[in-house]
Amino acid sequence: AQKITQTQPGMFVQEKEAVTLDCTYDTSDPSYGLFWYKQPSSGEMIFLIYQGSYDQQNATEGRYSLNFQKARKSANLVISASQLGDSAMYFCAMREGGGGTSYGKLTFGQGTILTVHP
Amino acid sequence: KAGVTQTPRYLIKTRGQQVTLSCSPISGHRSVSWYQQTPGQGLQFLFEYFSETQRNKGNFPGRFSGRQFSNSRSEMNVSTLELGDSALYLCASSLVLGYEQYFGPGTRLTVT
Repeated sequence: AQKITQTQPGMFVQEKEAVTLDCTYDTSDPSYGLFWYKQPSSGEMIFLIYQGSYDQQNATEGRYSLNFQKARKSANLVISASQLGDSAMYFCAMREGGGGTSYGKLTFGQGTILTVHP
Repeated sequence: KAGVTQTPRYLIKTRGQQVTLSCSPISGHRSVSWYQQTPGQGLQFLFEYFSETQRNKGNFPGRFSGRQFSNSRSEMNVSTLELGDSALYLCASSLVLGYEQYFGPGTRLTVT
């Protein structure tokens, strides 16, 4: 079973508008972390935002916010005021466990290609 | 602070050869993870090292191996290369296990 599902292969957004990238996850571990990364065409993965399973509030980092709905097991990324430089592949990832052997392992979704139009 | 560096950035090898990739983590980071990225399989976890010990390993054959040195630098080795090993190999470092991972630019390996 897919642990991380990103159902949108591609998304388009107009410059300066907001966009939501979807991510659902599957785990039975009560302790986990959710991450979003951006991968431009250059290939480097850029860390954007992190949400812990016990965090009470949604994470925010500048124009990025994470809409965390624990009961639905979703962790959508919201990018406000899109910029042309936001055009890239976006990956949702999960870390399971609170100290177990898989603690450091990230499981990634298939990614969503975001294209920002001027 | 310098980011994660990976060398070489590009590599072309022939089937049957072996290859060693290098990763230098962010200064102070003690955990290094390796991932393989291909168009078909996406991003897959290879292994993770912390304090020179392999803490976790993904589902890859024994041809894939790695190690970490006392200065936290890490190397991964792939022996008896196959065409399917062509991929972008990404290294990531984190302060300790479980913290945010910061990725390097990757090594693009092409096997012919």
